Amino acid sequence: GPKVLQIPSHQIIDMGQMVTLNCDPVSNHLYFYWYKQILGQQMEFLVNFYNGKVMEKSKLFKDQFSVERPDGSYFTLKIQPTALEDSAVYFCASSLGLHSYEQYFGPGTRLTVL
Amino acid sequence: QQQVRQSPQSLTVWEGETTILNCSYEDSTFDYFPWYRQFPGKSPALLIAISLVSNKKEDGRFTIFFNKREKKLSLHITDSQPGDSATYFCAASKAGNTRKLIFGLGTTLQVQP
Repeated sequence: GPKVLQIPSHQIIDMGQMVTLNCDPVSNHLYFYWYKQILGQQMEFLVNFYNGKVMEKSKLFKDQFSVERPDGSYFTLKIQPTALEDSAVYFCASSLGLHSYEQYFGPGTRLTVL
Repeated sequence: QQQVRQSPQSLTVWEGETTILNCSYEDSTFDYFPWYRQFPGKSPALLIAISLVSNKKEDGRFTIFFNKREKKLSLHITDSQPGDSATYFCAASKAGNTRKLIFGLGTTLQVQP
């Protein structure tokens, strides 16, 4: 099936530092998502991004979080500053559009905040 | 409060048996229900999905049965294989700006040879 890539696969940083998670969505997809999964729990929606704008964000998407996709390059999730509770696996997903419901997920980035 | 619930939390079956995974939801405006399968350390992969217009969706050994009135779904895996061992997530979405997915906690399936 369609492939979503994520870089890096694992990131370890100290609390208070900035981190940027990168996602390379499926090439013709227009809707991009970030989900957060804490070990042993379900994936939870963070944010949806379309046409250069955040369309919806959850309460998990704190003020320290931001997303962008400059000039069709990587879709990024930036956390600045990081906190201990940000440790989780972050999954990027993309879909073709609102009427094509299938979302395809990347392999995830495991973020460890020390 | 969990909007999407799954049961059981974990399940072990023998090779060749039929596996039944259950899912229920609260929000009656949900209209699309995908099931994802996730192997350890891998990304969740879309397995099969159903919408409100159907009561049943079949794809090979995988079948979704949908009871709209009770807001319940089940995923049946016939002739279960050891390679089916994974965590299965039920999810739901509804019409709107984003089609965000609401996931259940998942069912971890172990198929014994």
